[in-house]
Amino acid sequence: AQKVTQAQTEISVVEKEDVTLDCVYETRDTTYYLFWYKQPPSGELVFLIRRNSFDEQNEISGRYSWNFQKSTSSFNFTITASQVVDSAVYFCALNSGGYQKVTFGTGTKLQVIP
Amino acid sequence: DAGVTQSPTHLIKTRGQQVTLRCSPISGHKSVSWYQQVLGQGPQFIFQYYEKEERGRGNFPDRFSARQFPNYSSELNVNALLLGDSALYLCASSLGSQRDDTQYFGPGTRLTVL
Repeated sequence: AQKVTQAQTEISVVEKEDVTLDCVYETRDTTYYLFWYKQPPSGELVFLIRRNSFDEQNEISGRYSWNFQKSTSSFNFTITASQVVDSAVYFCALNSGGYQKVTFGTGTKLQVIP
Repeated sequence: DAGVTQSPTHLIKTRGQQVTLRCSPISGHKSVSWYQQVLGQGPQFIFQYYEKEERGRGNFPDRFSARQFPNYSSELNVNALLLGDSALYLCASSLGSQRDDTQYFGPGTRLTVL
């Protein structure tokens, strides 16, 4: 069985602050894939990043960075210098099955206050 | 290039009715997956289709069915609607059917059952 836990239900930050969204996952598979998606109020899920279980290198893309630690089964997401446009619900997701049954966390709603 | 498209955008039905939701994948993508997202929750996997064959099924009753057409578009059918079927139904497409193929989501169909 696979499970994704996003303990932070809602986070509010003031614009330009840094914010980290936590994600903890559970799987018995040794090969798996982790994802982050952004869901703005319009409802469409926007793909942000994919990471496989063999690649623990952290990744940075502009103001976004991701910290993958297999030892703690975590895949955290940091937004640096947050902006109002970052306000959305962010989902962490895991795929460790034989096909594309992706398991999503319950999401973290981020509100960036101007 | 056009992204994943879904129709209709919104739909209102009454209990006991049947509904058909439609999805067109990104050009070149052969796999389509369907997810149900209840308000305040993460998406839940319903089906995956690849090359017109069902590759995976989530924990949903037999009232839910789907199919994929030769042009890779897909339909999701739900019979005997219940109030609990009210949700955002998301379609995702990917190049292939493997778990490392990133899924790209459409804007969703919001179904309301009265």
